[in-house]
Amino acid sequence: AQSVTQPDIHITVSEGASLELRCNYSYGATPYLFWYVQSPGQGLQLLLKYFSGDTLVQGIKGFEAEFKRSQSSFNLRKPSVHWSDAAEYFCAVDAFSGGYNKLIFGAGTRLAVHP
Amino acid sequence: GAVVSQHPSRVICKSGTSVKIECRSLDFQATTMFWYRQFPKKSLMLMATSNEGSKATYEQGVEKDKFLINHASLTLSTLTVTSAHPEDSSFYICSARSLSLTLFDEQFFGPGTRLTVL
Repeated sequence: AQSVTQPDIHITVSEGASLELRCNYSYGATPYLFWYVQSPGQGLQLLLKYFSGDTLVQGIKGFEAEFKRSQSSFNLRKPSVHWSDAAEYFCAVDAFSGGYNKLIFGAGTRLAVHP
Repeated sequence: GAVVSQHPSRVICKSGTSVKIECRSLDFQATTMFWYRQFPKKSLMLMATSNEGSKATYEQGVEKDKFLINHASLTLSTLTVTSAHPEDSSFYICSARSLSLTLFDEQFFGPGTRLTVL
């Protein structure tokens, strides 16, 4: 069955430090992968997506993610975190199931940023 | 960019009443709209998928008679929580997928509706 695992529930980093959020997926076919960010009480904003091609994907707000098929991973990275990056981050895979496409989300990683 | 709105953003109701939540795609036509439920500090759970002009497809375990979904036009879908009870209190988020020849289109998410049932 298709699934997405985000091993880290909470991560705390200092402002200016680098960040890596982990995501592993389980999907039989070529995955279409996404990272979303959710601020408190808000909907989701797309950070970046991978469909095909270059396995290193650039997104908004200075984020990037690397697709590694051999490891079934799509980790999100940022070289220098800003206090405004504190939010909930969700990894998702677009899965074809039951005759249509739907997003399957990981449990999320809550990022806290210390000044 | 594509914008999806939800109304209301927050609603408080008494147990036993019905609540309707609207989801609109403001600047694009959505062939498909999705409704999610998010529990506190939890991930999004897909409740149902609706295509314009046809019946919604509900995920396993979601009561279709309790969560009525109507997708009457390419820009509007509604979720009605019938006879709401405190356990229905949650954050409901909709998303819309654009009308496009591309097989895998991006979903654009609304800001969510916080439902509290007293």
